[in-house]
This record gives sequence, C-alpha cells and structure tokens, in this order.
Amino acid sequence: TQLLEQSPQFLSIQEGENLTVYCNSSSVFSSLQWYRQEPGEGPVLLVTVVTGGEVKKLKRLTFQFGDARKDSSLHITAAQPGDTGLYLCAGRNDYKLSFGAGTTVTVRA
Amino acid sequence: NAGVTQTPKFQVLKTGQSMTLQCAQDMNHNSMYWYRQDPGMGLRLIYYSASEGTTDKGEVPNGYNVSRLNKREFSLRLESAAPSQTSVYFCASSSETQYFGPGTRLLVL
Repeated sequence: TQLLEQSPQFLSIQEGENLTVYCNSSSVFSSLQWYRQEPGEGPVLLVTVVTGGEVKKLKRLTFQFGDARKDSSLHITAAQPGDTGLYLCAGRNDYKLSFGAGTTVTVRA
Repeated sequence: NAGVTQTPKFQVLKTGQSMTLQCAQDMNHNSMYWYRQDPGMGLRLIYYSASEGTTDKGEVPNGYNVSRLNKREFSLRLESAAPSQTSVYFCASSSETQYFGPGTRLLVL
C-alpha cells in the first residue's frame, strides 16, 4: 500500500495545455518534495515545500502544499514537450522519503 | 564532482546467484539510501544509512544486505537472487536534498 497516492497515473496532453498532478496522503509530513525522472536516469529534485499552505513557483510550474501538510499538487502552465517525464512526489519524515507511484506526463508537439 | 555513481549499469543473473551493487558519492553526505523502482510502485526504500557505521531497514529489506564501507561508499548485496528482485535499483545520498545515481538495471532469470 502506497503511503502517498498520486493521480492521475498517466496524462497525455497537447503542447500549450495546462495540467495538474495530485499527491494525497493520510499522513502528515515535515516536508514534501517533487521530483522529475527521465527514462534511464535517476529522479531529480524540482522543489521542496515545508510550510502548510505554501505555494512555490518554478517558471511554468506551481507547487502547493496542503494546509494540513498531507497533500500537494503540481500545476504546469502551457506545457511543452520538454516537460515530458515521470513526476514523483515524496513525503519526508526524519531521514526517510516515502514516494508516490508517479505520474507519467506526455506532452505532444 | 561526479555526484552519486553506481556500478554496474546493467546485470543479468540466474536464480540463486549472488552479486553486489556498488554506490559511491563525493558530496561528503552523511546519509545514503538504496531504493528499488518497479512499474506502478514508485521508489521503495530497501535500506538506509544515516551515518557512517549505521544501517537500518527500510520498507522492503528481505533478500538484501548492505554495507556502509566508509562515508563515501554504500553497497547492496543480493545473496541468492530471485526473479522477484528483477528491478531498477537506485542509490541516493543526502544532506537535506536526496541526490540519486543513474540506477542499476537488474534482470534475474
């Protein structure tokens, strides 16, 4: 059983469209991280959110941490083919991360 | 500065064979981790080492052993490989952010 549930599992959109990926849990985390992973490589950290209600922006990517620090969302505005990849959320407590199963995003040109 | 390196990149084993996956980091991090990644499951923690000289079980430790050889190196050993251990294995190290290696793709026949 995954501690973090991500939805949707797959997302295929046209270039220029917007998308949102959700990450939900019944557990509280000290922080939540979003990673992007490309085929044949390890995950790379995009952002860490720490405070309940926090919103962080990274160019066209907007990350939000829920008020109760149990859930998060990633919104991409005007998606581009370079945004294609596997997006993973991970909740952190102490030294350890618990990962969601991931959302595979495909942006068609 | 190579970050996190893993060897080998690919390996094919027969059931019952043993092997050791090697991981090294040059970022002077205290904490190191071994994960496995399977389709639809995200990354699951096998073992971690919070500091040199200590190791602890993660979510899926059965069938694996680890050695924190020194601060730089953290190896994962499969004593008697099983087909269920076919997976992609990632090593990571961290201070606050986890940095991942490129992965080892293991097929057990």
